[in-house]
Amino acid sequence: QSVLTQPPSVSGAPGQRVTISCTGSSSNFGAGYDVHWYQQLPGTAPKLLFYVNNNRPSGVPDRFSGSKSGTSASLAITGLQAEDEADYYCQSYDSSLTGWVFGGGTKLTVL
Amino acid sequence: QVQMQESGPGLVKPSETLSLTCTVSGDSINSYYWSWIRQPAGKGLEWIGRIYTSGSTNYNPSLKSRVTMSVDTSKKQFSLKLTSVTAADTAVYYCARNPGAFDYWGQGTLVTVSS
Repeated sequence: QSVLTQPPSVSGAPGQRVTISCTGSSSNFGAGYDVHWYQQLPGTAPKLLFYVNNNRPSGVPDRFSGSKSGTSASLAITGLQAEDEADYYCQSYDSSLTGWVFGGGTKLTVL
Repeated sequence: QVQMQESGPGLVKPSETLSLTCTVSGDSINSYYWSWIRQPAGKGLEWIGRIYTSGSTNYNPSLKSRVTMSVDTSKKQFSLKLTSVTAADTAVYYCARNPGAFDYWGQGTLVTVSS
């Protein structure tokens, strides 16, 4: 069981908006630690999608946005495209575990 | 553009030691933290540990007793050793640069623990 909780799957039709939640606790998000998001396309290494809550690396479309509030974070994708079909992971630091932790991952299916 | 490449045996026998090396190119290895992360087939990501270029380390508490990391800045490489492996250690192992987020990743290498 992951320290950060994500829904196992979400889905949406092309053009729609989907959100992926990531629920933490007082020892990670609640303690002020940042959230980072990764996209993992099938058969490839994860790729950094967002860092420090809502900063987008160059090359990441602005259809993707991130936010964090209290002990939760979320990733939103607007204008859903077939190429967005992937696994998405949130990540932070946990002071109780004294290490970096990931969410269990969310599989996004584009219908 | 930073590039990273994992190398090492793809098959390790139970109770033996898993050894992997990550080679960094395209940028300096200095003044960064470098991590190892693994992913069993069909499962999520698990952070194993990280090393700074000074040699300072932090390990996942669940693996700490079996993990050792080292760095060779002259070769732009850092390494992972995981002792007493079992089938549960079978996974794709990634190396990644870790200034906070994991901003650059290697392509990953599959390590299977089997006799």
